[in-house]
Amino acid sequence: DGGITQSPKYLFRKEGQNVTLSCEQNLNHDAMYWYRQDPGQGLRLIYYSQIVNDFQKGDIAEGYSVSREKKESFPLTVTSAQKNPTAFYLCASSIDQGLAGPNEQFFGPGTRLTVL
Amino acid sequence: AQSVTQPDIHITVSEGASLELRCNYSYGATPYLFWYVQSPGQGLQLLLKYFSGDTLVQGIKGFEAEFKRSQSSFNLRKPSVHWSDAAEYFCAVGAGGGSQGNLIFGKGTKLSVKP
Repeated sequence: DGGITQSPKYLFRKEGQNVTLSCEQNLNHDAMYWYRQDPGQGLRLIYYSQIVNDFQKGDIAEGYSVSREKKESFPLTVTSAQKNPTAFYLCASSIDQGLAGPNEQFFGPGTRLTVL
Repeated sequence: AQSVTQPDIHITVSEGASLELRCNYSYGATPYLFWYVQSPGQGLQLLLKYFSGDTLVQGIKGFEAEFKRSQSSFNLRKPSVHWSDAAEYFCAVGAGGGSQGNLIFGKGTKLSVKP
């Protein structure tokens, strides 16, 4: 089955620690995205990548970092600089960024990060 | 700048009743519009999308949405709600290509269904 996987489903972090959230897709999509979801806030874009070895900051990139070394993988690191990291994190992909307009995005099941 | 407003934070309907979820967007040209559904603790699933053409769009699970340019709206409807429709619904707008094509999401409407 083609799709997006995220791991782990639940993640606990102590203050001051960096943690990495995994996102893998086998849809052969070029574009990948990371969103943060907080109750009542909708989805906010953290980082996105249009192609391998390239990525751009979204609206709330501070305290986060990403890499895109392989087409199918787009891991997100939540650093100790992120002051309020407890949230639900969603990874998505689309066939490409869309030259004429945005394409639909396919979402993974999410990772819930809790800071202890 | 693009923006999306979902005026209703929480809606409760009886099973079998009709449903309309509101979505208003802000964008100067014709936007690309999406409705997604999210069950608790899950990712988002696309219900339907509008890019151009017929302003009444059919989606999965019996949902439809109508694009009304004059009202800057893209409301989601379903004639008869099932208990399994209880979830959170997100409207999203995108425009242009490249980085301009990133989706902007509304804050969501939570739907509860009474038996």
